[in-house]
Amino acid sequence: DTEVTQTPKHLVMGMTNKKSLKCEQHMGHRAMYWYKQKAKKPPELMFVYSYEKLSINESVPSRFSPECPNSSLLNLHLHALQPEDSALYLCASSQATSLGSDTQYFGPGTRLTVL
Amino acid sequence: AQSVAQPEDQVNVAEGNPLTVKCTYSVSGNPYLFWYVQYPNRGLQFLLKYITGDNLVKGSYGFEAEFNKSQTSFHLKKPSALVSDSALYFCAVRDSSGTYKYIFGTGTRLKVLA
Repeated sequence: DTEVTQTPKHLVMGMTNKKSLKCEQHMGHRAMYWYKQKAKKPPELMFVYSYEKLSINESVPSRFSPECPNSSLLNLHLHALQPEDSALYLCASSQATSLGSDTQYFGPGTRLTVL
Repeated sequence: AQSVAQPEDQVNVAEGNPLTVKCTYSVSGNPYLFWYVQYPNRGLQFLLKYITGDNLVKGSYGFEAEFNKSQTSFHLKKPSALVSDSALYFCAVRDSSGTYKYIFGTGTRLKVLA
């Protein structure tokens, strides 16, 4: 089973709202990722957690706040977003081996619209 | 710096014909190369990867890819295209600096015409 689940599927929020995106995997993977993807563009890496510790933050604005409560769960807390933050947010996970064969498996994404 | 290039924004092919989606790479060290497919409003689905060994890699849904070290290419192929193969295809290379990062190409839209 190579399934990564994400909720919600769609989210519409105002610029003053606080919301959260959730990602879950039960493959025993120890690395989890958040990506942002605009239409017809490649995914842009935002954050990487490895072994529940934040290992990469790609200079993401502080209105995005990641959290990894345990090895299966990854959250992305959203606050005071801007309309340009509207995008597809993808979660991925991988085994976190040091080998090049470490393969990322993606969830279906959350379509976020900021009004 | 490592990079991948997908020189074609769009590839059109007739159903039943062979298809090729091109990818070239630039890496220091051993290349670890991946292909993903994305259908509209969906996440990326893993198709196949090259790590080492046989230059012809077989993957999901009848896709295969040919690794060519001298041409630094990793083209995705399928002998007979289906309309349902129409999607956005991304080539990616694993960053060799010890992180878990991937570097993605810009994507190629494949359109299979009935």
